[in-house]
Amino acid sequence: SQELEQSPQSLIVQEGKNLTINCTSSKTLYGLYWYKQKYGEGLIFLMMLQKGGEEKSHEKITAKLDEKKQQSSLHITASQPSHAGIYLCGADMGTSYDKVIFGPGTSLSVIP
Amino acid sequence: NAGVTQTPKFQVLKTGQSMTLQCAQDMNHNSMYWYRQDPGMGLRLIYYSASEGTTDKGEVPNGYNVSRLNKREFSLRLESAAPSQTSVYFCASSEIYGYTFGSGTRLTVV
Repeated sequence: SQELEQSPQSLIVQEGKNLTINCTSSKTLYGLYWYKQKYGEGLIFLMMLQKGGEEKSHEKITAKLDEKKQQSSLHITASQPSHAGIYLCGADMGTSYDKVIFGPGTSLSVIP
Repeated sequence: NAGVTQTPKFQVLKTGQSMTLQCAQDMNHNSMYWYRQDPGMGLRLIYYSASEGTTDKGEVPNGYNVSRLNKREFSLRLESAAPSQTSVYFCASSEIYGYTFGSGTRLTVV
């Protein structure tokens, strides 16, 4: 089973609409990363959250880490076709070695 | 531009053939990783290297070997390719926070 779950699995929205993607863990997250992947390309780092209750924004994308540090949400305001792609959350689960575990991804399509 | 470079971008192998995927980073990062990405499975760690001269198994190491040739380069070898190894392979590097990914290698084993 996945240690990190993402919902929804896929999303189709009309341009201009807001949307939210969730990333959930059953364990405490020591660091939570959001990445975006354009189809057929590598992953691009969006932002990192570490503290419970932390919120960061970049352009029209806002990410939050809840107080218990077990869930993060990624919110896109006024979506554009350029936002289309796969969004992956990655988490530092506090293991003894330096690695990040990734969720299965959420595929976003934005219809003009 | 600085970053992680993977070669080749595409490869088709016959079952039983061998090949090496190359990865190089020019950011002076200590840690490097190989992941595979399959539909609905997300990214799964194959091997990683915390520093030059060290390598460790990740979640799905069977059928693969790695070499950390120097601080810059981390290669992934398939000794006898199997159809189950059809996937997109990503190399990444990191220092403290966040990973920088290569653009991926799309491998098909027929």
